[in-house]
Amino acid sequence: GEDVEQSLFLSVREGDSSVINCTYTDSSSTYLYWYKQEPGAGLQLLTYIFSNMDMKQDQRLTVLLNKKDKHLSLRIADTQTGDSAIYFCAESNDYKLSFGAGTTVTVRA
Amino acid sequence: GAVVSQHPSRVICKSGTSVKIECRSLDFQATTMFWYRQFPKQSLMLMATSNEGSKATYEQGVEKDKFLINHASLTLSTLTVTSAHPEDSSFYICSSPGQGRGSTDTQYFGPGTRLTVL
Repeated sequence: GEDVEQSLFLSVREGDSSVINCTYTDSSSTYLYWYKQEPGAGLQLLTYIFSNMDMKQDQRLTVLLNKKDKHLSLRIADTQTGDSAIYFCAESNDYKLSFGAGTTVTVRA
Repeated sequence: GAVVSQHPSRVICKSGTSVKIECRSLDFQATTMFWYRQFPKQSLMLMATSNEGSKATYEQGVEKDKFLINHASLTLSTLTVTSAHPEDSSFYICSSPGQGRGSTDTQYFGPGTRLTVL
């Protein structure tokens, strides 16, 4: 089966950049995603990248994809307190999503 | 953007009872609906895939007789947890890749249903 791994915790100072890393194993993944989950809430799609791209930027979010190493990262510029949440990376294959365990990002003043 | 709703958002029930969770697509036709389960501090795990008008496909280890899925219309899929037990307590989330989509360039998630079985 597919495995998606990511670090569990990240603490960052307000205003700094956050970088969340993710690795996956399925080389046939078509899309890779970043989702945000706030406490007690569902998932919010932040951004996604097609597997033939290596970078995508969307306002404060930058996604980097190294397909050779199967490594995905999400950079959040100018991290704010509202960015505190759990961030999940996910890959899709055959329309199904496989999620990582989630990275809990804590933004400190 | 597309909206998926779930009802109820939270339910507490006694052990042995059955609970039905509804997932509705509000502004698009959901040909396919995915059901996920999330235990505390863990990732989402796909339980089953339902396609309108046909039987659901369950992931390995998910009991189809315990988690009944009905996808009778293009806007409604239901998950019924039968004879619920405390170990079924979890956060259940549905998602759909949207109307007539041939690939998942995006998926629309419901807000989730938190089930607590006493």
